[in-house]
Amino acid sequence: KNEVEQSPQNLTAQEGEFITINCSYSVGISALHWLQQHPGGGIVSLFMLSSGKKKHGRLIATINIQEKHSSLHITASHPRDSAVYICAAFYYGGSQGNLIFGKGTKLSVKP
Amino acid sequence: EAGVAQSPRYKIIEKRQSVAFWCNPISGHATLYWYQQILGQGPKLLIQFQNNGVVDDSQLPKDRFSAERLKGVDSTLKIQPAKLEDSAVYLCASSFRDHLNEQFFGPGTRLTVL
Repeated sequence: KNEVEQSPQNLTAQEGEFITINCSYSVGISALHWLQQHPGGGIVSLFMLSSGKKKHGRLIATINIQEKHSSLHITASHPRDSAVYICAAFYYGGSQGNLIFGKGTKLSVKP
Repeated sequence: EAGVAQSPRYKIIEKRQSVAFWCNPISGHATLYWYQQILGQGPKLLIQFQNNGVVDDSQLPKDRFSAERLKGVDSTLKIQPAKLEDSAVYLCASSFRDHLNEQFFGPGTRLTVL
């Protein structure tokens, strides 16, 4: 069964701290997405990776294909970063692919 | 650029009733996705369209759920009849071409089945 596991499930940090959220998956993938979901439900796509590393502002996403693992880092965290962060892996299975989502990591950044 | 539009934003119905959700993707986006997100879980793909054709509907409960995208632009998702376990947020997303492109999400429709 293709699974996506995220850790931790919940994370509380102080403003300014460096944050890491982890995502592991069970089989080979062709792409991995990191998404941000704010209270109220709106989802924003942060990154799409198939290899290496991407950076956007204070956010950095990395992926290690051999270890089937990806991380999302937030530098100099801020209360407005409080949200649920979701990783989603795209697998090819048979004739079509399937996007499998993790359950999300709920991040709270305290001022 | 306008984002993905969804309506209604909220819907409360009784079990065994029918409900329909509407989505208008970003102009020019070929691929449209419907997801179901149950509280505390990540989204689950229900159906993916590329233009007006179905790419993946393997997780769509076809005995009660149906979806269409007749002209390859906007889409409707219908539940008939609804069950209590269908209470969830229904998210629509679109991307320019396929899963290798960024997905843009709508605000979602929160469905409560009583």
